[in-house]
Amino acid sequence: NAGVTQTPKFQVLKTGQSMTLQCAQDMNHNSMYWYRQDPGMGLRLIYYSASEGTTDKGEVPNGYNVSRLNKREFSLRLESAAPSQTSVYFCASSVTSGGARDTQYFGPGTRLTVL
Amino acid sequence: QKEVEQNSGPLSVPEGAIASLNCTYSDRGSQSFFWYRQYSGKSPELIMFIYSNGDKEDGRFTAQLNKASQYVSLLIRDSQPSDSATYLCAVNSGGSNYKLTFGKGTLLTVNP
Repeated sequence: NAGVTQTPKFQVLKTGQSMTLQCAQDMNHNSMYWYRQDPGMGLRLIYYSASEGTTDKGEVPNGYNVSRLNKREFSLRLESAAPSQTSVYFCASSVTSGGARDTQYFGPGTRLTVL
Repeated sequence: QKEVEQNSGPLSVPEGAIASLNCTYSDRGSQSFFWYRQYSGKSPELIMFIYSNGDKEDGRFTAQLNKASQYVSLLIRDSQPSDSATYLCAVNSGGSNYKLTFGKGTLLTVNP
């Protein structure tokens, strides 16, 4: 049981390049989330997917797009990377949506540097 | 704007002591509260959650919630060097908004 997996673990991009961060969970969770973590800023929600087929913006969605490919997979795309997107990106999942008691489980993270 | 505030630390305690981590939140409608531990370079991992006023104990960890004062705390008894990490407080306001709002975390160092 792998939990939440993310690929790649590390990535270096040049300004203007595009890339997709992949996330998959094998816990049969309905909801999935993308966060970024920057020094001194804590974890900030980029996008989330309450259930398969739905996605919604979080706190910092500009410059990103997401796709909920199926129940297991949720990808994050940077269309034109900018240095301000240098960060650590975490994917998370939880059992159900609309549940205040839902616990989120995190993947190992992707460390992205944009030059 | 819903806010979750934590003292950034670092909080330094000797091995065997009690470490006390505090968190305040702005949304009075908040329903559930989570403590995550994050080691340097790793992802957050859940320590415990609390929904009701009062104390909740799990091994060496005790979460305390006071909704009237809008604060939640985490006590770590018999602190060990392996407890050295950043502790993140997260709040869920419930209803149709099930997203977590995270504090910026408190860095705890336990000295042998």
